[in-house]
Amino acid sequence: QVQLQESGPGLVKPSETLSLTCSGSGGFISNSHWTWIRQPPGKGLEWIGYINYSGNTNYNPSLKGRVTISEDTSKNQISLKLSSVTAADTAVYYCGRGGGPIPHLWGQGALVTVSS
Amino acid sequence: DIQMTQSPSSLSASVGDRVTITCRASQGISNSLAWFQQKPGKAPKSLIFGSSTLQSGVPSKFSGSGSGTDFTLTISSLQPEDFATYYCQQYDSYPFTFGPGTKVDI
Repeated sequence: QVQLQESGPGLVKPSETLSLTCSGSGGFISNSHWTWIRQPPGKGLEWIGYINYSGNTNYNPSLKGRVTISEDTSKNQISLKLSSVTAADTAVYYCGRGGGPIPHLWGQGALVTVSS
Repeated sequence: DIQMTQSPSSLSASVGDRVTITCRASQGISNSLAWFQQKPGKAPKSLIFGSSTLQSGVPSKFSGSGSGTDFTLTISSLQPEDFATYYCQQYDSYPFTFGPGTKVDI
């Protein structure tokens, strides 16, 4: 069974760019829709954005244009970049895969702390 | 943005209980409503999409209903593994938004 894995630096300095990748196995990217969400410590879930199988993206406006989700077919990965981070961006970040806008499979999550 | 509310925010229940959680959208979302289960320290698990369609592998003790602005998630007979936090999410319009969660504990 395909499993997803988020990876990237666990510590990012304020004003820098958070970069995470989502990897898996078995014809990973093709014909799938991908979602990123996050969860600040002790809080609820926040939708970050979405890329569909055609490569079209939608992002949460609350992130004020700081987010980019893209696919790298050569590496079979989905990536998330969030620029100009602050402490408010400290969270566990999850990637999800589905046949539509609601994932049926989630990664285990990656904790990213923003601190100098 | 569409605002999602859930009630109750928490509830205490016993094994075998029937549990119902309510989710309300600030405007009509047709049946574009999903439910997720999350246990402490774990990733969310997708339970239901389209208001009432179970994700593959989800046991039939879970059921969802509703359309428009009012939705419910029902667990027919609560088991120890069901104690968790449950979130609803609308995907009718961007940005997709989650409810604040309902914690189900003993």
